[in-house]
Amino acid sequence: KAGVTQTPRYLIKTRGQQVTLSCSPISGHRSVSWYQQTPGQGLQFLFEYFSETQRNKGNFPGRFSGRQFSNSRSEMNVSTLELGDSALYLCASSPDPMSGQETQYFGPGTRLLVL
Amino acid sequence: AQSVTQPDIHITVSEGASLELRCNYSYGATPYLFWYVQSPGQGLQLLLKYFSGDTLVQGIKGFEAEFKRSQSSFNLRKPSVHWSDAAEYFCAVGAWDTGNQFYFGTGTSLTVIP
Repeated sequence: KAGVTQTPRYLIKTRGQQVTLSCSPISGHRSVSWYQQTPGQGLQFLFEYFSETQRNKGNFPGRFSGRQFSNSRSEMNVSTLELGDSALYLCASSPDPMSGQETQYFGPGTRLLVL
Repeated sequence: AQSVTQPDIHITVSEGASLELRCNYSYGATPYLFWYVQSPGQGLQLLLKYFSGDTLVQGIKGFEAEFKRSQSSFNLRKPSVHWSDAAEYFCAVGAWDTGNQFYFGTGTSLTVIP
């Protein structure tokens, strides 16, 4: 099986712009989670989607949003970019969450630099 | 609240030496515990996981971890470190009572000297 893929891998934006990142989960996985990784804050949970619904959300401002499509692919959007949004954004997918013993499999991440 | 503590920010070991990375967690229910490894600029790769049963779990690349409920710990070990093990290691606890969310420790950076 192919792993989790994320596009683009690298992105440079300027303050005030918006950005959309994409994640394709492992085939058959229905849950997609997003994390932000920075040197100062470490790995922080953004949100999780399952069956096109946001099921859980971390402590991030409303500028961070996401969605999931019927094929489980997910996108996250950051509007009005700030310098502090520069980070590695990681996507993770999991099998059916009703199993209760999910493992999250991570993609390579999208490196976002805000200038 | 759920949390994970990795007390060692950075560890340096000689190639061939043994390794132990510490992880302590706080979680109200039965924890599901994970260790991931991250090479520079890369995503996280799963090393091993503990859900239930035998408290000593084996993972990839010769790693193992032991779950100790009484100490709320899930330490990662390797008997003989290779230079290619140099990376960042993250311990995580899975919490599914509020949806699928992982709580990560701050990571331990491993340097291997020849």
